[in-house]
Amino acid sequence: ETGVTQSPTHLIKTRGQQVTLRCSSQSGHNTVSWYQQALGQGPQFIFQYYREEENGRGNFPPRFSGLQFPNYSSELNVNALELDDSALYLCASSFGGQGVLNYGYTFGSGTRLTVV
Amino acid sequence: AQSVTQLGSHVSVSEGALVLLRCNYSSSVPPYLFWYVQYPNKGLQLLLKYTSAATLVKGINGFEAEFKKSETSFHLTKPSAHMSDAAEYFCAVSTTSGGGADGLTFGKGTHLIIQP
Repeated sequence: ETGVTQSPTHLIKTRGQQVTLRCSSQSGHNTVSWYQQALGQGPQFIFQYYREEENGRGNFPPRFSGLQFPNYSSELNVNALELDDSALYLCASSFGGQGVLNYGYTFGSGTRLTVV
Repeated sequence: AQSVTQLGSHVSVSEGALVLLRCNYSSSVPPYLFWYVQYPNKGLQLLLKYTSAATLVKGINGFEAEFKKSETSFHLTKPSAHMSDAAEYFCAVSTTSGGGADGLTFGKGTHLIIQP
């Protein structure tokens, strides 16, 4: 059974650019969520996808967008990058949509994004 | 709205001593509670979760936590600290009202230091 894999592991972008981060869910999981973890802080919820549709969103602007594919892999897209977007981006997968809390979440190791 | 407060950004204990990491939550509905551990440059690993069954929850690596509704607490304990326990620990809450689609709300984390 494979876990959650994220790519790339590290990325450096320039302010104003766009970035796409990728996540492969754990086998059998149909729900994926993304988190932003700034240095020295706890992760913050960006959004969640269930069966290819966004079904929850945290307090992040529209320039943060995502996709979930039929194989339940996912992308996080960030447009017009700002310096404050520098963070570790974590993907988490789970199973069950509405029952996701009973299963918990499996996290990937993250993508470290640096905006210069 | 839900929130988590972790008391103590840093906790230092001697190897073999009791580990106690404090977590208090705020939620207007029955919560689901989680403890995660994060090693340097790694993602989050689930230690244990409370999902409205037994109030004393046993997790991996000898950790356990007790849900106390009257105190709105979910403190993490381990009877005897090991050097390998040195890491960052996060408490998180979610609720059933959003079916998990609100994501997890994390505390700011507690850095556990183990003294030899």
